[in-house]
Amino acid sequence: EAGVTQSPTHLIKTRGQQATLRCSPISGHTSVYWYQQALGLGLQFLLWYDEGEERNRGNFPPRFSGRQFPNYSSELNVNALELEDSALYLCASSPTGTRAFFGQGTRLTVV
Amino acid sequence: GQQVMQIPQYQHVQEGEDFTTYCNSSTTLSNIQWYKQRPGGHPVFLIQLVKSGEVKKQKRLTFQFGEAKKNSSLHITATQTTDVGTYFCAGRGDMRFGAGTRLTVKP
Repeated sequence: EAGVTQSPTHLIKTRGQQATLRCSPISGHTSVYWYQQALGLGLQFLLWYDEGEERNRGNFPPRFSGRQFPNYSSELNVNALELEDSALYLCASSPTGTRAFFGQGTRLTVV
Repeated sequence: GQQVMQIPQYQHVQEGEDFTTYCNSSTTLSNIQWYKQRPGGHPVFLIQLVKSGEVKKQKRLTFQFGEAKKNSSLHITATQTTDVGTYFCAGRGDMRFGAGTRLTVKP
């Protein structure tokens, strides 16, 4: 069974640009979670989607947004990129309310 | 959403010493999950605790859920270099994680 897949693996953007990160959950999982992990730091909760709806969002500005598609895959968009947005972005999926399975992450570098 | 606090933030031990990390919540948790993230890797699920006072063991790892279901602990007996990594706890629901405890082990 395929795990959670994220693309791209690495992404380099210029300050002010937009970044789009993608996540494909494990088949059958309806919940997708997004996290930001700056170097050496913890998992900062960004967004939670379930059944196509945004269920909760973390303490991030509105330029962080996303969506979940009918096939439960998800996109995270970051507009007006800032240098401090450089981080590892992790996506996780789960059958609602159970353990989370993480992808390998997208390393976003803003220069 | 549920907010869990985790201490300590860092722990450096000599190989063979024990290690404990604690997770505390201001609200009652329906359950708690523990994950481990190796350096350069992604978090991997270790265990879920559901019942008040529950204790589960995985080899040298012992997990406890408090009687009030507001705190939990992970204890590692006789640490090894393979235990290196960051240990996170998460409350069920919106999967908000604690800040994690980074464990380093000196051979």
